[in-house]
Amino acid sequence: AQRVTQPEKLLSVFKGAPVELKCNYSYSGSPELFWYVQYSRQRLQLLLRHISRESIKGFTADLNKGETSFHLKKPFAQEEDSAMYYCALMSTGGGNKLTFGTGTQLKVEL
Amino acid sequence: SAVISQKPSRDICQRGTSLTIQCQVDSQVTMMFWYRQQPGQSLTLIATANQGSEATYESGFVIDKFPISRPNLTFSTLTVSNMSPEDSSIYLCSVFTPNYGYTFGSGTRLTVV
Repeated sequence: AQRVTQPEKLLSVFKGAPVELKCNYSYSGSPELFWYVQYSRQRLQLLLRHISRESIKGFTADLNKGETSFHLKKPFAQEEDSAMYYCALMSTGGGNKLTFGTGTQLKVEL
Repeated sequence: SAVISQKPSRDICQRGTSLTIQCQVDSQVTMMFWYRQQPGQSLTLIATANQGSEATYESGFVIDKFPISRPNLTFSTLTVSNMSPEDSSIYLCSVFTPNYGYTFGSGTRLTVV
């Protein structure tokens, strides 16, 4: 069975400080991993996916298969980064099912 | 990416009644999904809605409680049947496209009283 773990429910950082949102996964196959973000009163939207290797809004995430992690990082937090962040894993064995972690609320303080 | 219109955006319903949620996509997609997000919790997949065949339900979800229709490649409905307060949740539809991954609707916030 696939599982996604986000150990922190809430992460509070000061503006300009580095951010790291942790995500670990368990999956027997070759995973495809995503980060989704939900800003206040907005719909869930894709932030980035590991296969595209993009940097979106200054965020990056590297898939570490040895540590089964996909941590989300940003060197300098901004106030507008305050949101709920979900790590998700898509099963590639058929069905394209997406399994979500429990989410981390990021709060950037001034 | 695909644009999804989901309605109603919210509703307050009496226990024992049913609510049908609609999801319209602006392009043809093979895979549509329905999720539930209970208060303070993450998203849980209810079922995969396949056009032209029965929906595939995840463990803990059954067709009698959450019947799904998928009449064409741009539309799906989820019905929450015989509702109880435990069904109070946000329900979201989602589509998958190879280029953009998953796109989500804005959700339906359901309160059962």
